[in-house]
This record gives sequence, C-alpha cells and structure tokens, in this order.
Amino acid sequence: AQSVTQLDSQVPVFEEAPVELRCNYSSSVSVYLFWYVQYPNQGLQLLLKYLSGSTLVESINGFEAEFNKSQTSFHLRKPSVHISDTAEYFCAVSKVSSASKIIFGSGTRLSIRP
Amino acid sequence: DTGVSQDPRHKITKRGQNVTFRCDPISEHNRLYWYRQTLGQGPEFLTYFQNEAQLEKSRLLSDRFSAERPKGSFSTLEIQRTEQGDSAMYLCASSASDRVDEQYFGPGTRLTVT
Repeated sequence: AQSVTQLDSQVPVFEEAPVELRCNYSSSVSVYLFWYVQYPNQGLQLLLKYLSGSTLVESINGFEAEFNKSQTSFHLRKPSVHISDTAEYFCAVSKVSSASKIIFGSGTRLSIRP
Repeated sequence: DTGVSQDPRHKITKRGQNVTFRCDPISEHNRLYWYRQTLGQGPEFLTYFQNEAQLEKSRLLSDRFSAERPKGSFSTLEIQRTEQGDSAMYLCASSASDRVDEQYFGPGTRLTVT
C-alpha cells in the first residue's frame, strides 16, 4: 500500500520569503507524484506532477518540486512567496501500474504574512 | 467546458435520513472518482467508475453508501441512514482514461449531519 506523510500541518512565512513544504511517501511499487493546491473556498487544483524523466518539475506560478527516490521525498519549494499563495497544499501519489485512485497526505496550510 | 460540477454544494440533514449527491464530470472524461475529505485531512478515495462500470471500492465505502453511474455520464452517491461521522466534504473528480494521472476535481458537496 502507498502512504504520504506531510509532517508540517501549518507553515507561516513572510511575503517574499522562500518556503519549502515537505512530503515523504512510502510505496513498494513505482508511483506518480503530485502536489495539489486548495485555495480558500475553491476546489482542489493540480499544481504539478512527476511522472518520469527529469526529477525536477515546475508549476506555472513559480513552485517547483524534486523527486528524490533514495529519500522517498517530493518536497515543494518556492523562492519567494506572495500573499496569493495562501492555500492548503496536498502531496499525493498514485500507482503507476494502475493509476486510478490518488492517495493524499493530510495537507499543509501555507499562510503568508505581509 | 465548465469543468466538474457537483450538486448540491451544501447539504444539512438529520441523523438517520438518506441523502444523494450528484456529480457531472467533464464531458469527454470516461473515468469518474469519489473522495471524502474530513476536516484537517486530505481527501480519501471512495470509489471510481470507468464508463458505467464501478471498478474499485474502498473499505471506507460501507454498506450504507452506494454509487452509480448508469449511463456512463453523471454519477450519484447515496448515503443511507446518515450518521454524524458522515459529515465531510464529498469530492468528485474525472479523468480521461489515457490520462489517469490527471484528475480534475469538482467543488465538492459539504454534508453536515446533525
């Protein structure tokens, strides 16, 4: 079975500061990796994903995540955050062999202080 | 296309009542998924359909829960004899079968059982 651990339930940072949201996963088989974002009063949106190839993946709004197989991690980073990045971020996995259900972590609430 | 839609957005019911939720996926998507999200947690997989066939059900889906997708388009999720523990956000997602790595989520139905 697969599982996802997001150790930080809340991360407060100042605007324009860098941020890292940590994600570790457990799986005995190959997985796809995702970060989803949920802005206040909105639905879940796919932020970025790792399927194969380059281990560094980027989103259109400046976030990036790096797949580290040896550490089974997929941490999300942004060098300079904006107020508009305030949201809940979910790390998730699904099995490559039968990609159907997505297993989500418990989420990290990112709050940006001006 | 307007994305995945869900109806109703909010539902308040008394314990013991039956409730039914509807999900309309993105029109060309033949896979449809149901998840449940409780406060402070990430979404948990409940079940998914490919066209009208229900291919997987989670152990979370007790006998009081039933999901259907009779014509391979919209889906309904019914909860019979609701309990307070059923209070949650019920999320629907859809994907194209050749893009199972990319699920698009609806806004959710928030159920409150009093």
